Amino acid sequence: QVQLQESGPGLVKPSETLSLTCTVSGGSISSYYWSWIRQPAGKGLEWIGRIFATGSTNYSPSLQSRVTMSVDTSKNQFSLKLNSVTAADTAVYFCARVRLGGFDAFDIWGQGTMVTVSS
Amino acid sequence: EIVLTQSPGTLSLSPGERATLSCRTSQSVSSSFLAWYQQKPGQAPRLLIFGASSRATGIPDRFSGSGSGTDFTLTISRLEPEDFAVYYCQHYGTSPFTFGPGTKVDIK
Repeated sequence: QVQLQESGPGLVKPSETLSLTCTVSGGSISSYYWSWIRQPAGKGLEWIGRIFATGSTNYSPSLQSRVTMSVDTSKNQFSLKLNSVTAADTAVYFCARVRLGGFDAFDIWGQGTMVTVSS
Repeated sequence: EIVLTQSPGTLSLSPGERATLSCRTSQSVSSSFLAWYQQKPGQAPRLLIFGASSRATGIPDRFSGSGSGTDFTLTISRLEPEDFAVYYCQHYGTSPFTFGPGTKVDIK
């Protein structure tokens, strides 16, 4: 079955760029939309954006100026970059698959990776 | 941006009882593009319901979703010990795909 695994640095300095990768195993990254969602400790879920296998993207307006997503179909991976980070970006970051098409629920999630922004 | 409101914030119930969770959206959600997720501490959310009322793969039939427009409900017919968790609703009809603040179902 399809599994997702996030990877990347757990600690990022303020004003620097947060970079995470999600590796898709057990299935192809093609023909699906993929999303990033984050969750500060003890708080709710925030959708960051989505990317299709072709590289087409859609970002949350609140983060759009700082977010870049990309996809590498040869590695079955997609990535998130968030620049100019502050302590407010400290959260668990999840990658997830959109079930079918561009407008659907997130049916498969990675386990999440904790990212702390601190000097 | 569509804002989701969930009530109650916390629901204290006993195993075997019925749980009714509410989600309201600030605008009508087209084609019932609404989902429900369950999240336990230290875990990723798990999809329970999509399309407002369709159960995801492997979800027990004690979970059911209903509603349309701006008012949606998740019902757990008889709470099992493993159902005590936080539940989130989410719309996906238009970007940004926002989540509600969650309802915590805890043991009374």
